[in-house]
Amino acid sequence: QQQVKQSPQSLIVQKGGISIINCAYENTAFDYFPWYQQFPGKGPALLIAIRPDVSEKKEGRFTISFNKSAKQFSLHIMDSQPGDSATYFCAASIVGYSTLTFGKGTMLLVSP
Amino acid sequence: GAVVSQHPSWVICKSGTSVKIECRSLDFQATTMFWYRQFPKQSLMLMATSNEGSKATYEQGVEKDKFLINHASLTLSTLTVTSAHPEDSSFYICSAAGTDYGSNQPQHFGDGTRLSIL
Repeated sequence: QQQVKQSPQSLIVQKGGISIINCAYENTAFDYFPWYQQFPGKGPALLIAIRPDVSEKKEGRFTISFNKSAKQFSLHIMDSQPGDSATYFCAASIVGYSTLTFGKGTMLLVSP
Repeated sequence: GAVVSQHPSWVICKSGTSVKIECRSLDFQATTMFWYRQFPKQSLMLMATSNEGSKATYEQGVEKDKFLINHASLTLSTLTVTSAHPEDSSFYICSAAGTDYGSNQPQHFGDGTRLSIL
């Protein structure tokens, strides 16, 4: 029940295209959903996060869409750039508790 | 803001030695710090959670005597890998959450330490 399932495992998108990564969760107690971006040899960096009281949050080219009834959320990267090539992790947690449950990650390659 | 510094970034040592990794929150006070281990092309695996001034809480399967965690202040936590062996070689990453975690202050990650045991 603590799992967060992330797909796809890897993704190749052409420059300028839209990258879409999906996550699904089972624990209905989760109420905080961040996305992290990780470059090789670096730690993850927080990209954007959402709470269940909104269905969408946009920051620049990055948008989270959230479907509470389906227990799914997704990251959309608009106008994808080669510099966006990285591994993306979705995560979930319960406000007030420490632990983040991570998805398995998606390796994104944006071709020039 | 919300910078977490991890040191060293890379260490190579002989089997049987102990290695200490430091994690510092530079511009905020971290009530809670986390230590993760990451294998190549895999997700982060939480090893332990530490609260300032308290003993760390270890995840199932993580040896407390092998991985010693100290969180002596609101800005510093250390992970000591004792009597390290080649199977302990990995990428270790710390993260820190601010003092108001209940209000969704997110975890901020350090840049990791690449540990190689010969």
